[in-house]
Amino acid sequence: NAGVTQTPKFQVLKTGQSMTLQCAQDMNHNSMYWYRQDPGMGLRLIYYSASEGTTDKGEVPNGYNVSRLNKREFSLRLESAAPSQTSVYFCASSEARAGLRGVLTFGAGSRLTVL
Amino acid sequence: AQTVTQSQPEMSVQEAETVTLSCTYDTSENNYYLFWYKQPPSRQMILVIRQEAYKQQNATENRFSVNFQKAAKSFSLKISDSQLGDTAMYFCAFMKHGGSQGNLIFGKGTKLSVKP
Repeated sequence: NAGVTQTPKFQVLKTGQSMTLQCAQDMNHNSMYWYRQDPGMGLRLIYYSASEGTTDKGEVPNGYNVSRLNKREFSLRLESAAPSQTSVYFCASSEARAGLRGVLTFGAGSRLTVL
Repeated sequence: AQTVTQSQPEMSVQEAETVTLSCTYDTSENNYYLFWYKQPPSRQMILVIRQEAYKQQNATENRFSVNFQKAAKSFSLKISDSQLGDTAMYFCAFMKHGGSQGNLIFGKGTKLSVKP
């Protein structure tokens, strides 16, 4: 049982380049999320998908797009990378069940550097 | 808007001793959830403990327990019998009861070092 798998683990981009971070979960969770973590900060929500076919903005969505490809996969795209997007990105998923609200399963993270 | 404050950027504790990590939050909501998540050096975040605000009883999970003071908006984490594997960043987080399920507001974290 792999849980939440993110690729790539590391990526270096030049300003203006585009890239997509991939995320897949094998726990049959309905909801998926993308967070970013910056030094000295907690995690901040970029986008989320409450269920297959829906996506919504989180706290810091500017400069990003997402796609909920199917129930398993949720990708994050940077169309024109900027140095301010240098960060560690975490994908997470959760079940929509009473008693488990807010209980997220996280991936291992993707470290992105934009030069 | 909700905010979560962790006032201790770093802490250390000797193995087998007890340590308490502090967290305060600000909200006008009456129903909400509070969490402590742990991020070991391997980076993968894992849930330590969860508290529902309407429950008066403090949550416990083995060596981990919380002191939830709703009126004071305080949610501290106590780790008993500290182990080397407890070395990690610890994040306090808040989530509204009626909001999006994964929309957690995180504090900036406390780096805990357990020393042998």
